[in-house]
Amino acid sequence: GENVEQHPSTLSVQEGDSAVIKCTYSDSASNYFPWYKQELGKGPQLIIDIRSNVGEKKDQRIAVTLNKTAKHFSLHITETQPEDSAVYFCAARSNDYKLSFGAGTTVTVRA
Amino acid sequence: DTGVSQDPRHKITKRGQNVTFRCDPISEHNRLYWYRQTLGQGPEFLTYFQNEAQLEKSRLLSDRFSAERPKGSFSTLEIQRTEQGDSAMYLCASESLGVHNEQFFGPGTRLTVL
Repeated sequence: GENVEQHPSTLSVQEGDSAVIKCTYSDSASNYFPWYKQELGKGPQLIIDIRSNVGEKKDQRIAVTLNKTAKHFSLHITETQPEDSAVYFCAARSNDYKLSFGAGTTVTVRA
Repeated sequence: DTGVSQDPRHKITKRGQNVTFRCDPISEHNRLYWYRQTLGQGPEFLTYFQNEAQLEKSRLLSDRFSAERPKGSFSTLEIQRTEQGDSAMYLCASESLGVHNEQFFGPGTRLTVL
């Protein structure tokens, strides 16, 4: 099955700086890569996703890049704000149904 | 709020007891998923339904676990003879097949087995 690895496990940034989270996947058939943000006591919330026919996608301060050849994808958050503090999960989907998640990155934005 | 609701939000039970959780998906979403999330980990797939049919079960889903989705609307997940290792957050997600394939998660049910 699909195996997704996520780095780093924790990330502390100064408010206004950028944050980058990287993920790799194992199944070359994977074609959908969502990113979720999870706050304490809540379920994961989809923040952005990318499909295999696109190399980059941007939504305001959030961008995701995908390199299918290398089988890795990244989340970029610019101009970080305190409300960006949360756990972020990458995921990959290869068989039209279940998502395989990374272990998560705890992002702390220092004021 | 994604529109997916789960009940209860928290459940504390003693080892050996049975528990049942409920998930109400976004109206008319035809796919419904159950995931389990332990502390410090990402969600892990347990099972999913397309309408009322259960199409896939993970090896994580032992014989003590059973899920149903009668009439293709809400779903229940039952754990019989709970064990301490069942303590986790149980997440439900729903998806409208064919529309961007986005999975929307509920708030989860946190189970603690004493």
